[in-house]
Amino acid sequence: GAGVSQSPSNKVTEKGKDVELRCDPISGHTALYWYRQSLGQGLEFLIYFQGNSAPDKSGLPSDRFSAERTGGSVSTLTIQRTQQEDSAVYLCASSPTVSGNTIYFGEGSWLTVV
Amino acid sequence: DQQVKQNSPSLSVQEGRISILNCDYTNSMFDYFLWYKKYPAEGPTFLISISSIKDKNEDGRFTVFLNKSAKHLSLHIVPSQPGDSAVYFCAAAGGSGGGADGLTFGKGTHLIIQP
Repeated sequence: GAGVSQSPSNKVTEKGKDVELRCDPISGHTALYWYRQSLGQGLEFLIYFQGNSAPDKSGLPSDRFSAERTGGSVSTLTIQRTQQEDSAVYLCASSPTVSGNTIYFGEGSWLTVV
Repeated sequence: DQQVKQNSPSLSVQEGRISILNCDYTNSMFDYFLWYKKYPAEGPTFLISISSIKDKNEDGRFTVFLNKSAKHLSLHIVPSQPGDSAVYFCAAAGGSGGGADGLTFGKGTHLIIQP
């Protein structure tokens, strides 16, 4: 597809379960970002991948959160032992270059932890 | 500590009038600023940007103004149209907190255009 693709678009999970969220960036984009938007909050940076370099994990809120990017393309964000405060929209974005300040977002994965 | 602040959670403007959305920042390392627009159930979409070497950038009905000394930028939409109703996020690049070359976002302003 032409844009950033995320799946699932909606996920309801029970507290304590693990979830995986997937992101397919725009083809050829080297930089990939994960953001989170909680109710009434702005966009919170989580993690950044640039090419094959080690990711910048400075935004991950706890060690229950991890992400990987395979082959420099698809990324998976994993949340272990989900908590209710993890409920949010998880947005993936990509940009074409290291200095690609204009980043392009997917439509988000809406996670609800019950 | 919020580095990008949008102090108005919501703004209501009459159709045809000017909408002015404000954004303040604290990090003097920021050198590039962007506005994103977000409709419900969709991801944010890029609207307009400005480099710190400029003080104004215009694109159709949208103009962004940057006042570096005040660490303030604003987005003007004129004339406002019903389709402009959305949440507008201010974002900044060049500082830390957004990942290398990532963006730091404000909390957003919900713009409501009234007929």
